Amino acid sequence: QKEVEQNSGPLSVPEGAIASLNCTYSDRGSQSFFWYRQYSGKSPELIMFIYSNGDKEDGRFTAQLNKASQYVSLLIRDSQPSDSATYLCAVSGGYNKLIFGAGTRLAVHP
Amino acid sequence: DTGVSQDPRHKITKRGQNVTFRCDPISEHNRLYWYRQTLGQGPEFLTYFQNEAQLEKSRLLSDRFSAERPKGSFSTLEIQRTEQGDSAMYLCASNRQQTQETQYFGPGTRLLVL
Repeated sequence: QKEVEQNSGPLSVPEGAIASLNCTYSDRGSQSFFWYRQYSGKSPELIMFIYSNGDKEDGRFTAQLNKASQYVSLLIRDSQPSDSATYLCAVSGGYNKLIFGAGTRLAVHP
Repeated sequence: DTGVSQDPRHKITKRGQNVTFRCDPISEHNRLYWYRQTLGQGPEFLTYFQNEAQLEKSRLLSDRFSAERPKGSFSTLEIQRTEQGDSAMYLCASNRQQTQETQYFGPGTRLLVL
């Protein structure tokens, strides 16, 4: 079993819709959770981080964390074609390495 | 631009050659990380430094790989006797010595071994 699992997609949504991206992790000791966006050929760019159970909102993005279910999600409201990218979920047990999922490809079509 | 820089951005080499990559982290960041990413996968942790000390190495980091951070500032990653399987994007990230501190990634070095 992989430590961080994501659906590879592609997830296709129409412009203006809500995109929902999901991630599960295996290490119950994980403390920090991150969502990175990666455009083709580019490096990962931080979108959001979340440490506590519940929701965290930043603009059009909402991260949701449920430690009991070992589940993290990212909602993107009012999706734009520029949101089309691969979204990487990453988990950290502390202050060192990040464990990444393989990423979910999101395609927002006009 | 996160402020983390990497050089070169692209490298093509022949199998068996040695290559060296450089990473300059954000200046106030004392932690530096190396990751490797292959097509269709997320980045995989290779190693990390706190100041000049290399504190953790992944089992992915074979004997052909060596990383240094001699003065606690920039870091180098060397691959000796490159193999075609080493072809990947090599990513550097940095952060400060605080719990849960976000890692910021550089642009990466894309290596192609022929």
